[in-house]
Amino acid sequence: EDQVTQSPEALRLQEGESSSLNCSYTVSGLRGLFWYRQDPGKGPEFLFTLYSAGEEKEKERLKATLTKKESFLHITAPKPEDSATYLCAAFSGTYKYIFGTGTRLKVLA
Amino acid sequence: NAGVTQTPKFQVLKTGQSMTLQCAQDMNHNSMYWYRQDPGMGLRLIYYSASEGTTDKGEVPNGYNVSRLNKREFSLRLESAAPSQTSVYFCASSVRTGVYEQYFGPGTRLTVT
Repeated sequence: EDQVTQSPEALRLQEGESSSLNCSYTVSGLRGLFWYRQDPGKGPEFLFTLYSAGEEKEKERLKATLTKKESFLHITAPKPEDSATYLCAAFSGTYKYIFGTGTRLKVLA
Repeated sequence: NAGVTQTPKFQVLKTGQSMTLQCAQDMNHNSMYWYRQDPGMGLRLIYYSASEGTTDKGEVPNGYNVSRLNKREFSLRLESAAPSQTSVYFCASSVRTGVYEQYFGPGTRLTVT
């Protein structure tokens, strides 16, 4: 069964304290791995798409990487405005996304 | 450019009542989706429409119906609401189905008592 698991469920960081969020997937024929950010009371907002193992993408303080079994979202020197829930989703080629349950990130000033 | 809009934002229903959630996008996207988001379960696909005139079931379609009214609009109907349908509902769109990012609306918080 296709599955996406995110860890940790919640993470508290001090401002400037770098860390990584994990997204493990067991999906047959992965065609893309997506990262989204979701603020409280809002819909998910697209961040990155990764297509193949070894690929990396960056945006401001965020860098996403992909291996054959997992993806990491690295947050460098986070700021309070980076506080949000981060979702990953795998696309297996059957015209649907499989979403993880997310990591709730809180960055303290 | 509003992106994806949804109405209403909040709704409370009694068991057995019906309602329709409305969604519209102004990005000229071909594909549209309805998800529900429940604590600890992530986003689950209810129905999707790959293109105007087509709709298909997702992971959790029971108790719901959809209509792709035109290229812009995709509605979700609950014919006889049940407490198990209490959730946050999101509409999304993408250029087409496949490995494309989805753009989400702000959501509808539905409570069924």
